[in-house]
Amino acid sequence: GQQVMQIPQYQHVQEGEDFTTYCNSSTTLSNIQWYKQRPGGHPVFLIQLVKSGEVKKQKRLTFQFGEAKKNSSLHITATQTTDVGTYFCAGYGPGSARQLTFGSGTQLTVLP
Amino acid sequence: EADIYQTPRYLVIGTGKKITLECSQTMGHDKMYWYQQDPGMELHLIHYSYGVNSTEKGDLSSESTVSRIRTEHFPLTLESARPSHTSQYLCASSATGKQPQHFGDGTRLSIL
Repeated sequence: GQQVMQIPQYQHVQEGEDFTTYCNSSTTLSNIQWYKQRPGGHPVFLIQLVKSGEVKKQKRLTFQFGEAKKNSSLHITATQTTDVGTYFCAGYGPGSARQLTFGSGTQLTVLP
Repeated sequence: EADIYQTPRYLVIGTGKKITLECSQTMGHDKMYWYQQDPGMELHLIHYSYGVNSTEKGDLSSESTVSRIRTEHFPLTLESARPSHTSQYLCASSATGKQPQHFGDGTRLSIL
């Protein structure tokens, strides 16, 4: 079945440093979604990418979908303590695939 | 914010008890899901439903069962709780198609 892997599993950064998490799928994805889960909270949807090579920005966050639609990245510029949490990517397989597969997540710690 | 509700938020109970975790959504979503998640770790899909009277087991084997008699309601039941069931259980829903999932606040379950 479809597998979605994320690296790194953990990342500690100093406040103000940049952060990137990478998502890789074993199969082509029809779309990629990103979620953020704060400590003690539940995953919250951030954004969805659909097109090959698509890049979207939300303030300091930049999301990218690979040309082959098998990988994605989330980059945070100048991290803040409010960025702390676990970031999950999730993707639907191609065609009529109905199940969303979540990546393993990257836990981000921002040191003040 | 999404209208999906889980009760109870926290439950501490003894081994052997029957437990039902409630999940309701008011968005009219056809698709609903149950995930099991240890703190900061991966989301493991244990059950899902694509509509009334439709339920399927997820990727992670679970001793729990679910029912979907009404669109808005997707309860999860453990007939005989064991300490190995201690975890957080997250309920989610999504609209038809490859849409984002909306999560409830979760139930933190501790079996003594």
